[in-house]
Amino acid sequence: GNSVTQMEGPVTLSEEAFLTINCTYTATGYPSLFWYVQYPGEGLQLLLKATKADDKGSNKGFEATYRKETTSFHLEKGSVQVSDSAVYFCALSGSSNAGNMLTFGGGTRLMVKP
Amino acid sequence: NAGVMQNPRHLVRRRGQEARLRCSPMKGHSHVYWYRQLPEEGLKFMVYLQKENIIDESGMPKERFSAEFPKEGPSILRIQQVVRGDSAAYFCASSPSRADEQFFGPGTRLTVL
Repeated sequence: GNSVTQMEGPVTLSEEAFLTINCTYTATGYPSLFWYVQYPGEGLQLLLKATKADDKGSNKGFEATYRKETTSFHLEKGSVQVSDSAVYFCALSGSSNAGNMLTFGGGTRLMVKP
Repeated sequence: NAGVMQNPRHLVRRRGQEARLRCSPMKGHSHVYWYRQLPEEGLKFMVYLQKENIIDESGMPKERFSAEFPKEGPSILRIQQVVRGDSAAYFCASSPSRADEQFFGPGTRLTVL
């Protein structure tokens, strides 16, 4: 079955530091890949996505590239801000006759200090 | 266009009581997914519904849990005879079609005393 593995947190960085959160996946077929962000007490917001190999998703300074050869979708940001503190989830969609349900990684908590 | 709405946002129940969680999808969305997030874990798929039909309930516990999405009104996730292990955040997501992006609601945080 499908699975997503992402690095455990918490990840603690100083403001303006470079961020990488690793994500690897196992899936049949050609899933779409996503990064979601969850701020305290809130639901998930889609941060970025990529639908096929070598696609790069980007949003708000965050980027991730769909690497089929390494089955990875690592999240990066060149300069983090305190406001980026949140939990980040990597996910893939397994499209089938039964729908497009998402399989999530365990989440990585990011803490950015001023 | 209002987003996905869930209510209540917080629900406290004693062991053995029933919990009813409601999800109103975005306007024009007829596909609803329910996910559960246990403390310090990722979200796990529970059930996928279209209007009046359960399409995939492979992630639902076999007992005590049920879901519906009637022709009119919100989708309901019902948990009978709750136990402490049911304490979690329950999120629903909606989409306009099977293949489209899912939009998440703010979640219902269930606490079982």
